[in-house]
Amino acid sequence: AQSVTQLGSHVSVSEGALVLLRCNYSSSVPPYLFWYVQYPNQGLQLLLKYTSAATLVKGINGFEAEFKKSETSFHLTKPSAHMSDAAEYFCAVGAGGGKLIFGQGTELSVKP
Amino acid sequence: GAVVSQHPSRVICKSGTSVKIECRSLDFQATTMFWYRQFPKQSLMLMATSNEGSKATYEQGVEKDKFLINHASLTLSTLTVTSAHPEDSSFYICSAGASGGRETQYFGPGTRLLVL
Repeated sequence: AQSVTQLGSHVSVSEGALVLLRCNYSSSVPPYLFWYVQYPNQGLQLLLKYTSAATLVKGINGFEAEFKKSETSFHLTKPSAHMSDAAEYFCAVGAGGGKLIFGQGTELSVKP
Repeated sequence: GAVVSQHPSRVICKSGTSVKIECRSLDFQATTMFWYRQFPKQSLMLMATSNEGSKATYEQGVEKDKFLINHASLTLSTLTVTSAHPEDSSFYICSAGASGGRETQYFGPGTRLLVL
């Protein structure tokens, strides 16, 4: 069975600082992994996805994530935070048949 | 890019009434759509998988007679909350993928349901 754990329900960074959101997964098969962002009262927008190609995945808005099989991790990073990055971020793993299993979410706050 | 719409975006209804939420894939055909429920400050909980032309598959603990799902075409799935009660108040989100495999899911903007 697949599962996802996001470490830290809330992360706060200063504008211009590094953003690091942590995600660890459990999967009995080679995983497909995703990061989504959700702004208040909106649906989810795909940031990036890992589908067994390059382990370093670049996404939209300057975000990237690195798949590390040995650590079962897929952490999301951005070199320099912007105020507009403040949102809820969800890591997800594909569970077969198109299903997604989501982590608990991490709320990112960006301080001016 | 792939666009998924939901209608309505917000709905307020009285307890005991039924509410229908539509999910449409606007520029692609979706053989599979998914319905999620999200409580405030929480993650998305998968309710059911909607397959075009067949019965929906519900996750454990989700009442299929309460949350009726119909996937009548490759671009439309509907979720009907029957005899809604205040505890059904939530944010309902649908997603759609092109072929039900390991492809990306595209999410609708969500529907906020408030049952008084």
